[in-house]
Amino acid sequence: DAMVIQNPRYQVTQFGKPVTLSCSQTLNHNVMYWYQQKSSQAPKLLFHYYDKDFNNEADTPDNFQSRRPNTSFCFLDIRSPGLGDAAMYLCATSRAPGPSYEQYFGPGTRLTVT
Amino acid sequence: AQTVTQSQPEMSVQEAETVTLSCTYDTSESDYYLFWYKQPPSRQMILVIRQEAYKQQNATENRFSVNFQKAAKSFSLKISDSQLGDAAMYFCAYKFGGGATNKLIFGTGTLLAVQP
Repeated sequence: DAMVIQNPRYQVTQFGKPVTLSCSQTLNHNVMYWYQQKSSQAPKLLFHYYDKDFNNEADTPDNFQSRRPNTSFCFLDIRSPGLGDAAMYLCATSRAPGPSYEQYFGPGTRLTVT
Repeated sequence: AQTVTQSQPEMSVQEAETVTLSCTYDTSESDYYLFWYKQPPSRQMILVIRQEAYKQQNATENRFSVNFQKAAKSFSLKISDSQLGDAAMYFCAYKFGGGATNKLIFGTGTLLAVQP
């Protein structure tokens, strides 16, 4: 089945130690998104890629970066994780960037910072 | 700025009964989309139902229906004949319909428990 896959499902990192979260998709969608979902809060868009074009949300901290080496894969890099970065990170895809296109979500990666 | 508010952090319903989840939103736009997403424990978020703001008729998908009140900026989800598999976190979300953006703005969610 076509799907959005996130690895790992659970990630533990140390304060200040760089960490990378992975997302892959078999839907061949052009757009990939990263959302941050802190406990008891709404998921919040960090950035998205439309093909190779990177679109950062204005309030996304510089500590968060992303890479998309090809259509199928997108990575979220946290350069120096702080305790406040502990959250569920959701990857999503859509066929195109327009508002009428549905977003398909992965199961998320839960990040713990010790 | 657009905001989405879900005032019920938790709800509970008996199996086979009907439950309504509330959502209000704030926007100055006239062209937008509204969604309900379901996030089961440890599984991916899936789209339950969507509503285009320009459509007056309320969307329906099998046991799921919405009550869209545009003037009141209210978008509630009704689940009929509740099943154990409906237990999940439900998120209401808004998307601006103009331009090229596909950004979803979510509420904080309602955790629905279904009692056998």
